[in-house]
Amino acid sequence: NAGVTQTPKFRILKIGQSMTLQCAQDMNHNYMYWYRQDPGMGLKLIYYSVGAGITDKGEVPNGYNVSRSTTEDFPLRLELAAPSQTSVYFCASSYSGSKGDGYTFGSGTRLTVV
Amino acid sequence: SQELEQSPQSLIVQEGKNLTINCTSSKTLYGLYWYKQKYGEGLIFLMMLQKGGEEKSHEKITAKLDEKKQQSSLHITASQPSHAGIYLCGADFLYSGAGSYQLTFGKGTKLSVIP
Repeated sequence: NAGVTQTPKFRILKIGQSMTLQCAQDMNHNYMYWYRQDPGMGLKLIYYSVGAGITDKGEVPNGYNVSRSTTEDFPLRLELAAPSQTSVYFCASSYSGSKGDGYTFGSGTRLTVV
Repeated sequence: SQELEQSPQSLIVQEGKNLTINCTSSKTLYGLYWYKQKYGEGLIFLMMLQKGGEEKSHEKITAKLDEKKQQSSLHITASQPSHAGIYLCGADFLYSGAGSYQLTFGKGTKLSVIP
């Protein structure tokens, strides 16, 4: 049981480049989330999805896009990378959006934009 | 505004000492989570609390949720270098966009343990 798998683990991008952070889960969870964590800060929600074909913005969505074509995958797309997007990105999933449901996190992607 | 306030922001303790980290909210806390993170690594789930007055322990770490369900504390007894890292509290807050609960985090507490 792999849980939540994120790729790549590390990436360096040049300003203006684009890339996709991959996230896959094999637990048949309906809800998936993308967070970013800046130094000295907690995690902030970028986008989330309540099921295949349904996505919505979180607290800090600007500069990012997501799609959810399958239950398993929830890629995060960065268009026109900027230094402000240098961060550690975490993907997470939960079975439902109920309180106390529990969340499973991936190991993170460390992105540097230079 | 920060919905979850953690204190202290950082903490340096000598090995063997006890310590407490607090997590406070102005809203009722449902599904209060504690995670640990080592530098450059992912989040390690420690405990989840749901009921007022609930207390859970794992090895030398104890977490409590107060009766009013607005404050949680994480207590480490006889700290060891292996306890060093960033401790994050998270809570399920109702997110109006989807009508579902979303996990919101505090800013974290950085713990250093000096041998």
